[in-house]
Amino acid sequence: LAKTTQPISMDSYEGQEVNITCSHNNIATNDYITWYQQFPSQGPRFIIQGYKTKVTNEVASLFIPADRKSSTLSLPRVSLSDTAVYYCLVAPGANNLFFGTGTRLTVIP
Amino acid sequence: NAGVTQTPKFQVLKTGQSMTLQCAQDMNHEYMSWYRQDPGMGLRLIHYSVGAGITDQGEVPNGYNVSRSTTEDFPLRLLSAAPSQTSVYFCASSPGGGQQETQYFGPGTRLLVL
Repeated sequence: LAKTTQPISMDSYEGQEVNITCSHNNIATNDYITWYQQFPSQGPRFIIQGYKTKVTNEVASLFIPADRKSSTLSLPRVSLSDTAVYYCLVAPGANNLFFGTGTRLTVIP
Repeated sequence: NAGVTQTPKFQVLKTGQSMTLQCAQDMNHEYMSWYRQDPGMGLRLIHYSVGAGITDQGEVPNGYNVSRSTTEDFPLRLLSAAPSQTSVYFCASSPGGGQQETQYFGPGTRLLVL
């Protein structure tokens, strides 16, 4: 499994755009990049997934450069309810996922 | 759909006791898995199953047993609880574990072993 490196924590004010970058230098050709969000006392929840270039959904955008060795999760105009831990995962599918320590995002009023 | 359900929500055990954590899903997913999450840490895979009758070990399987007799249920058994097994346990499922699939997680079981 390709391991990932993300910042341990980030702070942001409400209404700002937040970008969380994940490094995955050993990503394999058949790996997808998936981001999960976890609130305290809850299980992780899928946010977005991509293979290359840019993916956007109603919650976030995911930017993946051509070499795929990193990716950036972009959360537009965060609110207090976006305070959570965000995990970047790299794997060929949903099996045997490796969760690192994630990035703890704190949104400040 | 209820999604992935787990029982109990919270459990206290004494060292050496055994218990079973229940997990069920109503989405007809083939792939199910168990993770544990220690304070301030990410999730670690304990056991997983790619379908009824098939199970395999994950990253931290010692001290745990699983079985998969039906598609819906995937119980996790602690054979002889130890304080090191104090953790939050999450069950997850996905349609088949294949590409572009995502996992759906249950609400977790918080276990305290004294």
